[in-house]
Amino acid sequence: DAGVIQSPRHEVTEMGQEVTLRCKPISGHNSLFWYRQTMMRGLELLIYFNNNVPIDDSGMPEDRFSAKMPNASFSTLKIQPSEPRDSAVYFCASSFGDSGYTFGSGTRLTVV
Amino acid sequence: AQRVTQPEKLLSVFKGAPVELKCNYSYSGSPELFWYVQYSRQRLQLLLRHISRESIKGFTADLNKGETSFHLKKPFAQEEDSAMYYCAPQNSGYSTLTFGKGTMLLVSP
Repeated sequence: DAGVIQSPRHEVTEMGQEVTLRCKPISGHNSLFWYRQTMMRGLELLIYFNNNVPIDDSGMPEDRFSAKMPNASFSTLKIQPSEPRDSAVYFCASSFGDSGYTFGSGTRLTVV
Repeated sequence: AQRVTQPEKLLSVFKGAPVELKCNYSYSGSPELFWYVQYSRQRLQLLLRHISRESIKGFTADLNKGETSFHLKKPFAQEEDSAMYYCAPQNSGYSTLTFGKGTMLLVSP
């Protein structure tokens, strides 16, 4: 298995533009998580899906952020419009049961 | 409220010295506990979980329910241990992990 796959690895965009981050979880994992990592706040859970259904999106900072999981093998995190303070590394992780998470390599987002 | 505390932002030791990275948690019930490691600019990786009672890369962690702690230890640090370490409790019945702020371990030659 190739693990959790995220794309793009790096994204540089101008303020106000739409940004879409993508994640392919490990096949067979039934939970998917989006985290944001910054120096100031560490790792913050943004949203969590179980069996493709959003369970907890209380970490999504604003309405500018949205996430979807149309099927078991794909999820997106969208920011529209993007702002400089959204600059961070965004990690996707997947899991099955209580086995612990497998993380993707992350997307480093820079909004200028 | 669920909370996990890693009191040290940075821990700097010399190669061969013992290491202890502290983690305290405040959780209802009996959480499952994990340590994750992130090497420079890489993905987070599972280091160990308390239920498995394993030793990974020479690291161990003992759950102390009385002190609600899950400190990570290694008797002799190596330069390749330099990384960011995150303690993460997981409440039983829920799938989400709550990550601490992390401790950066720097091992100097």
